[in-house]
Amino acid sequence: DGGITQSPKYLFRKEGQNVTLSCEQNLNHDAMYWYRQDPGQGLRLIYYSQIVNDFQKGDIAEGYSVSREKKESFPLTVTSAQKNPTAFYLCASSIALMRQETQYFGPGTRLLVL
Amino acid sequence: EDQVTQSPEALRLQEGESSSLNCSYTVSGLRGLFWYRQDPGKGPEFLFTLYSAGEEKEKERLKATLTKKESFLHITAPKPEDSATYLCAVQAGNYGQNFVFGPGTRLSVLP
Repeated sequence: DGGITQSPKYLFRKEGQNVTLSCEQNLNHDAMYWYRQDPGQGLRLIYYSQIVNDFQKGDIAEGYSVSREKKESFPLTVTSAQKNPTAFYLCASSIALMRQETQYFGPGTRLLVL
Repeated sequence: EDQVTQSPEALRLQEGESSSLNCSYTVSGLRGLFWYRQDPGKGPEFLFTLYSAGEEKEKERLKATLTKKESFLHITAPKPEDSATYLCAVQAGNYGQNFVFGPGTRLSVLP
């Protein structure tokens, strides 16, 4: 089955610690995205990538970093600089960025701070 | 600045009671409007994409419509399993690089 997988489902971060969220897709999509979801707010874009080895900051990139070394993978690192990391993180992909293509989402990772 | 609002924030319906959810948007260069369904603790599930004013799409009890300023998600004779949060999103910008999501409408359908 084609789709997007995210791991882990739950992640706990200690103060000062960097943590990495995994996102893998087997849809052969060029574009991938990371969003943050907080209660009562719309999804907010953290980073997006149009193609391998290229990525752009979204609206709330501070305290986060990404890499895109493979088409299938787009991991997100939440660094210690992100002071309020508790949220639900969603990864998405689409065929291409500049076309009017639907984004498909993974199941999400909930990050909690200890 | 591109903006998307949704109303109502929450809606409770009796099973079989039809209603509509609203998504209003202010964007420059709309490239597409998307509706998603999200169950608690899960990722959004794609429902519809609308590209131009006047377009309509249907799927089972759901029908989405689009005007130049807003979109409606009509729910006909809803069932309890339709209970979820419904998200609206727009893609805009010269390169389609702007994605803006609304806060969602939380729908509860009571048996």
